Amino acid sequence: DQQVKQNSPSLSVQEGRISILNCDYTNSMFDYFLWYKKYPAEGPTFLISISSIKDKNEDGRFTVFLNKSAKHLSLHIVPSQPGDSAVYFCAASLGWDNQGGKLIFGQGTELSVKP
Amino acid sequence: EAQVTQNPRYLITVTGKKLTVTCSQNMNHEYMSWYRQDPGLGLRQIYYSMNVEVTDKGDVPEGYKVSRKEKRNFPLILESPSPNQTSLYFCASSPGLAGVSRWTGELFFGEGSRLTVL
Repeated sequence: DQQVKQNSPSLSVQEGRISILNCDYTNSMFDYFLWYKKYPAEGPTFLISISSIKDKNEDGRFTVFLNKSAKHLSLHIVPSQPGDSAVYFCAASLGWDNQGGKLIFGQGTELSVKP
Repeated sequence: EAQVTQNPRYLITVTGKKLTVTCSQNMNHEYMSWYRQDPGLGLRQIYYSMNVEVTDKGDVPEGYKVSRKEKRNFPLILESPSPNQTSLYFCASSPGLAGVSRWTGELFFGEGSRLTVL
């Protein structure tokens, strides 16, 4: 039973345009949501996070939006750059008190930004 | 440089031959964990450790063992590997609640160990 789902395996956008990556979840008790970025032959690296008490968090070109009623979050990258081409994972946590904040990951979306 | 180091990075082995994937972090982190990544399934947690001598099962612990005798090391042991354990493995660590003003959930990952069991 996949509690965190990324339904788009891949996404292709033009350099300079907006990239929107989506993630849906089923457990309304999730307390924290994170996005990770992964290049080939490297480990995932943290990108941006959002607490369940917020609906938006921004860091430079990256913005994460959380819609709790729809159990949906999205990552916006504006403007997209070729170096953003990677696999993006969304992850959710029930908080530190639950198994030390175990992260539950989606399947990943491979983003390709074309020059 | 702050990092999580895994070895080996690549390994091909045969069914039943015991192997150990080592993991070491130099950030004095309390929390360590192992994940496996499989196509279409994302990353799934195998085991985790909230501190020295404290370990517990994650979502897919069958066929694996771990130990946490020292804070910096968290080896993953496959006593009798089988082909369904062919996967990409990641070790991760975090400070937990120690020395941080606010828990953020962020995990620091190693570069991965690609294991093939024939």
